[in-house]
Amino acid sequence: AQSVTQLDSQVPVFEEAPVELRCNYSSSVSVYLFWYVQYPNQGLQLLLKYLSGSTLVKGINGFEAEFNKSQTSFHLRKPSVHISDTAEYFCAVNQPGRRALTFGSGTRLQVQP
Amino acid sequence: SQTIHQWPATLVQPVGSPLSLECTVEGTSNPNLYWYRQAAGRGLQLLFYSVGIGQISSEVPQNLSASRPQDRQFILSSKKLLLSDSGFYLCAWSLKGLDNQPQHFGDGTRLSIL
Repeated sequence: AQSVTQLDSQVPVFEEAPVELRCNYSSSVSVYLFWYVQYPNQGLQLLLKYLSGSTLVKGINGFEAEFNKSQTSFHLRKPSVHISDTAEYFCAVNQPGRRALTFGSGTRLQVQP
Repeated sequence: SQTIHQWPATLVQPVGSPLSLECTVEGTSNPNLYWYRQAAGRGLQLLFYSVGIGQISSEVPQNLSASRPQDRQFILSSKKLLLSDSGFYLCAWSLKGLDNQPQHFGDGTRLSIL
């Protein structure tokens, strides 16, 4: 069975500082990995995805993530955050043969001025 | 381009009343469809998914049911709501055939049970 762990429930950070949101997964087979962002009272928006190939994936809004197979991680990073990045971020995993994503419990990013 | 619509955006219902939440997708055919629930401060729990008309898979036993009467319509229902049914309900769709396809979400329905 696949599972996703987001180690930090909340990450406070000052504006223009770098940030890393951690995600670890467990699966016995190859996986596909996703990061989503959720602004208050809205649905989830896809930030980026890793399917295969280059382990560094660039997404929207200046975010990027790196797939590390040996550490089974897919951490999300941004070199300089804005107030508007304040939101909930979800890591998700799928594997061949499954029809639905498995989501982590989410990390609330709070950007302070 | 594809769009997904959910309604209503918010709903307040008394305990024991029925429920019907609707979701429709435009701009694609034969999508996979999903219903998730997001409890306050928690992640997403998959409730149902559907690969075609009349084909519904339930992920967790509960007070809710789902139906897919048309290709791009997905309905979440309950005959008698419980307090524990409160939450944020999200509908999503994905392309069929490839496991690496992301899911695309609607804006959600916030359901409060009194």
